[in-house]
Amino acid sequence: AQSVSQHNHHVILSEAASLELGCNYSYGGTVNLFWYVQYPGQHLQLLLKYFSGDPLVKGIKGFEAEFIKSKFSFNLRKPSVQWSDTAEYFCAVRSGNTGKLIFGQGTTLQVKP
Amino acid sequence: DTAVSQTPKYLVTQMGNDKSIKCEQNLGHDTMYWYKQDSKKFLKIMFSYNNKELIINETVPNRFSPKSPDKAHLNLHINSLELGDSAVYFCASSQDPRAVMGTQYFGPGTRLLVL
Repeated sequence: AQSVSQHNHHVILSEAASLELGCNYSYGGTVNLFWYVQYPGQHLQLLLKYFSGDPLVKGIKGFEAEFIKSKFSFNLRKPSVQWSDTAEYFCAVRSGNTGKLIFGQGTTLQVKP
Repeated sequence: DTAVSQTPKYLVTQMGNDKSIKCEQNLGHDTMYWYKQDSKKFLKIMFSYNNKELIINETVPNRFSPKSPDKAHLNLHINSLELGDSAVYFCASSQDPRAVMGTQYFGPGTRLLVL
């Protein structure tokens, strides 16, 4: 069965620290990859996505992610976090033709001012 | 100019009751989805409709029944509510899911609490 694994469940950083959140998936075919963010009390918003082409994808708010096919990974990075980045981060994989998204269990990021 | 909207935002009800959650999108998308987010914030798809046709039906109890009167609306009806149904339910929509641009846009969520 397809699955998505996010290794970091809870990350605490100080402002200006660099961020990397891990995401690995198990599906071997063609996949589309997404990172969503959920700010406290809000709905999910798309940070970035990978469909094809350049494996280094840039998203909103200074986030980027790198697709490494050989490692089945799609890690999220940001060089310098801000307090406003405090949120839940979800990695998701879409496969097949139904649009079904498989989500990871999420990572809680807490940025201390 | 809300893209994906859900009503109600909060729903508190007793076990055994029947309730509905409504979802509407004004993005002109063909496909809509329901996801359930449990207390550990794990998100799992429940259903998906494409042009009013059911295309995803995960192993969800029969008490849950989606209804799509048109492609802009996807409602979720839940019969005989149980404590374990307490969760946040998110609606989402996308263009044709087979298309490259089939990014899903999520609604604000409906927080259901069953007492």
